[in-house]
Amino acid sequence: DQQVKQNSPSLSVQEGRISILNCDYTNSMFDYFLWYKKYPAEGPTFLISISSIKDKNEDGRFTVFLNKSAKHLSLHIVPSQPGDSAVYFCAASAGNQGGKLIFGQGTELSVKP
Amino acid sequence: DSGVTQTPKHLITATGQRVTLRCSPRSGDLSVYWYQQSLDQGLQFLIQYYNGEERAKGNILERFSAQQFPDLHSELNLSSLELGDSALYFCASSSHLGREGGYTFGSGTRLTVV
Repeated sequence: DQQVKQNSPSLSVQEGRISILNCDYTNSMFDYFLWYKKYPAEGPTFLISISSIKDKNEDGRFTVFLNKSAKHLSLHIVPSQPGDSAVYFCAASAGNQGGKLIFGQGTELSVKP
Repeated sequence: DSGVTQTPKHLITATGQRVTLRCSPRSGDLSVYWYQQSLDQGLQFLIQYYNGEERAKGNILERFSAQQFPDLHSELNLSSLELGDSALYFCASSSHLGREGGYTFGSGTRLTVV
């Protein structure tokens, strides 16, 4: 039962353009959503998060959008840079489950110069 | 350096064996989480400890067990190993329940069962 899904295993964009990574979830109890970035041979690093009471959160080049009715969130990176090339994981948390995060399968982003 | 230390970084062992993976959380963090990442899979939650007590359990096999010690370091024990247990095992820590700021991951232990 995959409660958090990232349906695109990979994405390739040109440097300077927008990268849009998508994530869908099924559990309506999720009330906190996070994005992590992972480089090879390293652990995931926290990127940005959003509470279910908001529909947008922005941090520099990174913006996360949440559409609760569609149970969908997306991460926008503008402008994309070659150093953004990594695997991006979407994660979700439910308030009644402590700090447990449920992760998607990840999307590998490649930003080409 | 994320502040979360996992040892060993690599481990190769035979089927049927038992191994112990160790995690030292970031200073001050009370919660420790264990995740498994198999090939082409996302991060699967295994178990969470908070200040020495088990807090949440995920899809952890009965052959696997974990504990968190008084100094807050944690160990994940994997026994009767099978080929399918080959994976990256990540430990993460957070100060409380990790929701708003996420949590900090270690660089993982790559386990290969042959």
